[in-house]
Amino acid sequence: GQNIDQPTEMTATEGAIVQINCTYQTSGFNGLFWYQQHAGEAPTFLSYNVLDGLEEKGRFSSFLSRSKGYSYLLLKELQMKDSASYLCAVSDSNYQLIWGAGTKLIIKP
Amino acid sequence: DAGITQSPRHKVTETGTPVTLRCHQTENHRYMYWYRQDPGHGLRLIHYSYGVKDTDKGEVSDGYSVSRSKTEDFLLTLESATSSQTSVYFCAISESPGQGTDTQYFGPGTRLTVL
Repeated sequence: GQNIDQPTEMTATEGAIVQINCTYQTSGFNGLFWYQQHAGEAPTFLSYNVLDGLEEKGRFSSFLSRSKGYSYLLLKELQMKDSASYLCAVSDSNYQLIWGAGTKLIIKP
Repeated sequence: DAGITQSPRHKVTETGTPVTLRCHQTENHRYMYWYRQDPGHGLRLIHYSYGVKDTDKGEVSDGYSVSRSKTEDFLLTLESATSSQTSVYFCAISESPGQGTDTQYFGPGTRLTVL
């Protein structure tokens, strides 16, 4: 079967750095996505990795290791507005997105 | 933001009644998707469309049907709603999966409650 695992909840402090991990087992791999979802809102696209390595976009970075079936999202200089759920999704052999259940990130002042 | 709207945004209905949710896009994207989102689960694909009148089933299609008569509109119908279909429903669009444009963009969601 296909499976995406990520922690259910994490807590971090404003101004700090947090790393959200995602491991996956899918039938085929055509890229990995990270989305942000604030409570009661739609998911919004953050990043896309298809090759191994680190992609940096401002305060957010995403890393991929295809051989390990592993990715992480790194958030720096945390702000209160970063309190949200972060969703990991993998594009499988049919280009369908398989979604993790999401990691709820709580930021404390 | 991609131009995607969903209607209604909230609906309460009774078991056994038919319900239709509408997704409308102004981006002219070829692919459209219906997902449901429930606590403890990832987004689960119900149905998707890869063109006008071209649709296919997703992971959790039982009890749902879809139609796409125009590029911009994708309808999701619950023929006879059940309490297990209480959920938040999201529509999403993408240009061409597999052509380097796989990113999906989401509508605001519809919160459906079946009593």
